[in-house]
Amino acid sequence: EADIYQTPRYLVIGTGKKITLECSQTMGHDKMYWYQQDPGMELHLIHYSYGVNSTEKGDLSSESTVSRIRTEHFPLTLESARPSHTSQYLCASSAVQGLNSPLHFGNGTRLTVT
Amino acid sequence: AQSVTQLDSQVPVFEEAPVELRCNYSSSVSVYLFWYVQYPNQGLQLLLKYLSGSTLVKGINGFEAEFNKSQTSFHLRKPSVHISDTAEYFCAVSSRGGADGLTFGKGTHLIIQP
Repeated sequence: EADIYQTPRYLVIGTGKKITLECSQTMGHDKMYWYQQDPGMELHLIHYSYGVNSTEKGDLSSESTVSRIRTEHFPLTLESARPSHTSQYLCASSAVQGLNSPLHFGNGTRLTVT
Repeated sequence: AQSVTQLDSQVPVFEEAPVELRCNYSSSVSVYLFWYVQYPNQGLQLLLKYLSGSTLVKGINGFEAEFNKSQTSFHLRKPSVHISDTAEYFCAVSSRGGADGLTFGKGTHLIIQP
């Protein structure tokens, strides 16, 4: 049972459109993350946040941007979608930085750009 | 730098048979090791983790893993699998403990055959 919610689950959109992928969590977690996942490939961290008004770029360069205005909400935006952005995007959160706080994942958004 | 190698992209096994999913890592510092599972159309959830202490770690759903420092391995095992174990399994390593320092492997697809 997910306490972290991603919408939409599936999105097919044309090239050049602006899109926002939503992610919300009800656990009061400070840290939130966006991962990109392609079939047969490892998950790549593209953005993370330590709390409100904090955003950092991850290991994988991405043309997307994120914002963290509220603790529970961490949306990801693509200003102009391209076919190379086709992927699955996973949002996650954790309570505190440290060893005993696992990542809680949402069910993902599968994005297809035509 | 740290990296994770999951040696098998796909492992087919018959129901009620034992299974081992292999994971090797490389890191120049002490590491913390994790196994995550991803069921179809869902996000990842934590199976088990090694932080310190006993090298044999027990997780949820009857899975266990053994940390072997000399062989830099963290193989996942289950003595008897069920159809419901069909999923993608990801090994991950962190040298910093926090999820923003987590490196994932490419995943192993466990296929349970009746």
